Amino acid sequence: GENVEQHPSTLSVQEGDSAVIKCTYSDSASNYFPWYKQELGKGPQLIIDIRSNVGEKKDQRIAVTLNKTAKHFSLHITETQPEDSAVYFCAASEGDYKLSFGAGTTVTVRA
Amino acid sequence: NAGVTQTPKFQVLKTGQSMTLQCAQDMNHNSMYWYRQDPGMGLRLIYYSASEGTTDKGEVPNGYNVSRLNKREFSLRLESAAPSQTSVYFCASSEAGIGELFFGEGSRLTVL
Repeated sequence: GENVEQHPSTLSVQEGDSAVIKCTYSDSASNYFPWYKQELGKGPQLIIDIRSNVGEKKDQRIAVTLNKTAKHFSLHITETQPEDSAVYFCAASEGDYKLSFGAGTTVTVRA
Repeated sequence: NAGVTQTPKFQVLKTGQSMTLQCAQDMNHNSMYWYRQDPGMGLRLIYYSASEGTTDKGEVPNGYNVSRLNKREFSLRLESAAPSQTSVYFCASSEAGIGELFFGEGSRLTVL
């Protein structure tokens, strides 16, 4: 099955700085790579996703890049704000219905 | 719209007891999922239902059963709870297979 590794496990950044989270996956057949944000006591919410036919996607302060050859993808958050503090999960598709998730990154934005 | 609703939010069980976690979605989604979340391990898929009338095992199905009662509802049953099943359980739905997952707020289960 798919194996997704996510780094770092914790990330502390100064407000206004950028944050980068990296994930690698093992199954070359994976073609969908979403990122979820989970706030304390809540369920994860999709913040951005990318499919394998594109290399980069942006949505305001958030961007995701995908390198299919190297089997890795990254989340970039620019101009971080206190409300960006949360746990972030990457995931990779496995077949038509399954997602395999990384272990998560706890992001803390220092004021 | 409530989205995905899970009940109960909290439950404490003794080893060997049984219980059912309920999940309902009001988005007319075809696919539904049960995940468990443990510290340092992300979200692991227990079972999923691609569409009404079908269910399939995920990564960690042992000790669990599911029922897709109708298009809206997907329940998870623990027949004989074990301490290793202490976790936070999330139900999710998607329009049809791979795509945005909509998660419930979670059910925190403790097995003593």
